Amino acid sequence: QVQLVESGGGVVQPGRSLRLSCAASGFTLSDYGMHWVRQAPGKGLEWVAFIAYDGSYTHYLDSVKGRFTISRDNSKSTLHLQMNSLRVEDTAVYYCAKESPEYSYGYDYWGQGTLVTVSS
Amino acid sequence: QSVLTQPPSVSGAPGQRVTISCTGSSSNIGANYDVYWYQQPPGTTPKIVIYANINRPSGVPDRFSGSKSGTSASLAITGLQAEDEADYYCQTYDSSLSGWVFGGGTKLTVL
Repeated sequence: QVQLVESGGGVVQPGRSLRLSCAASGFTLSDYGMHWVRQAPGKGLEWVAFIAYDGSYTHYLDSVKGRFTISRDNSKSTLHLQMNSLRVEDTAVYYCAKESPEYSYGYDYWGQGTLVTVSS
Repeated sequence: QSVLTQPPSVSGAPGQRVTISCTGSSSNIGANYDVYWYQQPPGTTPKIVIYANINRPSGVPDRFSGSKSGTSASLAITGLQAEDEADYYCQTYDSSLSGWVFGGGTKLTVL
């Protein structure tokens, strides 16, 4: 069965870096575009970043452009989000989500999320 | 402040019908990008309930339906059940932002 398992979250000071990973199983990662979506405590969903199935192009939320980098290693079935210059407002649960061509590229699977807390 | 506007909350009694609106603009919903709806019960991860404006994934009850007109979309839920109590989010692509956007979310309370 399809599984997405995020890791790498934690508590970090403002200005520092963190790298999130999303381990994919039960499907061929290289066939699908992937997204990161975050949810601040008690708040709504916020799209963060997208990477094409082959890594050929990426898109970012304006507030993370130049600070976050989405990447993928299809040979290891893993998605990453490198987060630099972290800000307090980046505090959130970060989910990786898989696109589904069957659902017109809506997300058919989400990970359980990993919590990133940016605090001094 | 999201570019997609949803009411913060809606409520209804069991068996009733509720609708949740999602208002966008000419750079997102009005630009004919597909609209998705996600359901997120408390303490769980989101689940897609509508894709491409009007379509239901297999396993989603036919009590859920989607519509789209102009720069707005709506999710309707008929025959409300206690299990429908959740936060609901609309999502689409925005060409001016070159990225995807979610609505602010609507909390559905089943009275």
